[in-house]
Amino acid sequence: DAGVIQSPRHEVTEMGQEVTLRCKPISGHDYLFWYRQTMMRGLELLIYFNNNVPIDDSGMPEDRFSAKMPNASFSTLKIQPSEPRDSAVYFCASSFPGTNVSPLHFGNGTRLTVT
Amino acid sequence: DQQVKQNSPSLSVQEGRISILNCDYTNSMFDYFLWYKKYPAEGPTFLISISSIKDKNEDGRFTVFLNKSAKHLSLHIVPSQPGDSAVYFCAARPMGRDDKIIFGKGTRLHILP
Repeated sequence: DAGVIQSPRHEVTEMGQEVTLRCKPISGHDYLFWYRQTMMRGLELLIYFNNNVPIDDSGMPEDRFSAKMPNASFSTLKIQPSEPRDSAVYFCASSFPGTNVSPLHFGNGTRLTVT
Repeated sequence: DQQVKQNSPSLSVQEGRISILNCDYTNSMFDYFLWYKKYPAEGPTFLISISSIKDKNEDGRFTVFLNKSAKHLSLHIVPSQPGDSAVYFCAARPMGRDDKIIFGKGTRLHILP
């Protein structure tokens, strides 16, 4: 299994531009999560999906952020317009619900820099 | 408001000695706790977990202790090895929410030769 795949690995853009981050979860995993990592706040949960349906988007910082999951093998996180404070590492993770707690499987992240 | 707190941003430990990473939480409704390890330029990977009905879980060199009355858990690594140098995240799951994991800010562990 290739694991969770994120693209691009690095993204540098100018303030005001649209940014789209992509994620392919592990096949068969029902849950998909988007996290953001910053020094100040650590790993923050932005939004997660179950069977392609958004369940909780309370962590999405502003209306500038949106996420979609058009099918079980693909999700996007879009920032429009981007701002310098959006600079962070964005992680996608997926999991398969088990009887106890299901560990999240993370991708290698997208490092976003907004200048 | 951080529900999962890791108050030590970094920790240095001599190779071969014990590493102890600490974590505090504020929500008494957490029923599962997890530790993740993260190397640079990689995503976090699951390390070990513990249910709130237990006070200890051991897996090889890694042991997690849970003190519910103090709302505190710790990860012990014995003996520490160079490959243990990484950022360690403490995480918790609210009861009945097997889909939501809340993370702390992480502690960077340096294993000194």
